[in-house]
Amino acid sequence: DTGVSQDPRHKITKRGQNVTFRCDPISEHNRLYWYRQTLGQGPEFLTYFQNEAQLEKSRLLSDRFSAERPKGSFSTLEIQRTEQGDSAMYLCASSKSQGGSEKLFFGSGTQLSVL
Amino acid sequence: AQSVTQPDIHITVSEGASLELRCNYSYGATPYLFWYVQSPGQGLQLLLKYFSGDTLVQGIKGFEAEFKRSQSSFNLRKPSVHWSDAAEYFCAVGARTNAGKSTFGDGTTLTVKP
Repeated sequence: DTGVSQDPRHKITKRGQNVTFRCDPISEHNRLYWYRQTLGQGPEFLTYFQNEAQLEKSRLLSDRFSAERPKGSFSTLEIQRTEQGDSAMYLCASSKSQGGSEKLFFGSGTQLSVL
Repeated sequence: AQSVTQPDIHITVSEGASLELRCNYSYGATPYLFWYVQSPGQGLQLLLKYFSGDTLVQGIKGFEAEFKRSQSSFNLRKPSVHWSDAAEYFCAVGARTNAGKSTFGDGTTLTVKP
């Protein structure tokens, strides 16, 4: 069990640029979640996958955001035409859904700064 | 709509003293409640969770929490705080089978004085 890993840890970009983050979940986990966390707030749910299917997207997720999980393993979150308001920590979590209670394992996050 | 309120933004306690972090929730069905801890530069780690049964729940690192339905509260406690407990603590409420869609509170930052 190597845990959930996220890459990069930090990303600084200029407004208007596109950025992509990667999340590698724990290998046997079928669910993968993305969150955004701003300073002084808790994580906010953005979207989640069960295997390769994206099952839900939050209303927080504008059209500039897109997420994929092409083979049901790693996932990417892309932000197009970044804005200063996108500056936040982007967290990924994974879990094994077995019909019972679910336990999440979080990565350390990607800190995005938009200048 | 579901929501979580953590009334204390920042708490300072002396090492060895007891700790209680408050959490109030609003949820339309039977709540599934969590406490997570986040250390600087790290992801969230689950301390404990409650769905049903005994209203006093034991977690990792010596933490416990008590569910009080009448008060819509799920307060986290520890009898004796260690310097390594300094971190940010988040309470969350959601559905048992979809913990990932939980609503999180804004967190309480714990500082431990030597």
